[in-house]
Amino acid sequence: GENVEQHPSTLSVQEGDSAVIKCTYSDSASNYFPWYKQELGKGPQLIIDIRSNVGEKKDQRIAVTLNKTAKHFSLHITETQPEDSAVYFCAASIAAGGYQKVTFGIGTKLQVIP
Amino acid sequence: GAVVSQHPSWVICKSGTSVKIECRSLDFQATTMFWYRQFPKQSLMLMATSNEGSKATYEQGVEKDKFLINHASLTLSTLTVTSAHPEDSSFYICSARRTGFDYGYTFGSGTRLTVV
Repeated sequence: GENVEQHPSTLSVQEGDSAVIKCTYSDSASNYFPWYKQELGKGPQLIIDIRSNVGEKKDQRIAVTLNKTAKHFSLHITETQPEDSAVYFCAASIAAGGYQKVTFGIGTKLQVIP
Repeated sequence: GAVVSQHPSWVICKSGTSVKIECRSLDFQATTMFWYRQFPKQSLMLMATSNEGSKATYEQGVEKDKFLINHASLTLSTLTVTSAHPEDSSFYICSARRTGFDYGYTFGSGTRLTVV
């Protein structure tokens, strides 16, 4: 099955600096890569996603890049703010009988220091 | 739009009892819903996938008779933890796939189950 590796597991940055989280996946058939933000005691919220036919996508301070050849994808957060502090999960999904089967990375705890 | 409500948000139960967790899509129809389990400081592990009107598909290692899943309508799926034991204590999260949409599943807010 699909295996998603994510690093770093923890990341501390000063407010205003950038944060980068990297993931790799194993199954070349994966075609959709969402990123989720999870705050303590809450469910994950989708913050950005990218499909396999796109190399980069940006939404305000958040961007995601995908290298299909290397099976790498990354999340970039610029001008970080304290409210960006949370756990971020990358995921890779593959079509499976009419829906997408999603495999999550281990998560990165991001702390933005004011 | 695309809101998923999960209830209860937390529950404490005694060993041996059963607990039901509800997952509702409030403003869309969800053909497929997913149930995850998350241990502290760990990732989400898929337990099962349920399609409306059919039996759930369980992941390897997940006990079907212990974690009963029902997806009787396009807006409601339930997970019942039967004969709960302390090791079942965890954070359970559902997500829903909007009918006609292949991507961008919406997650519920999770249920913290503590078995004492």
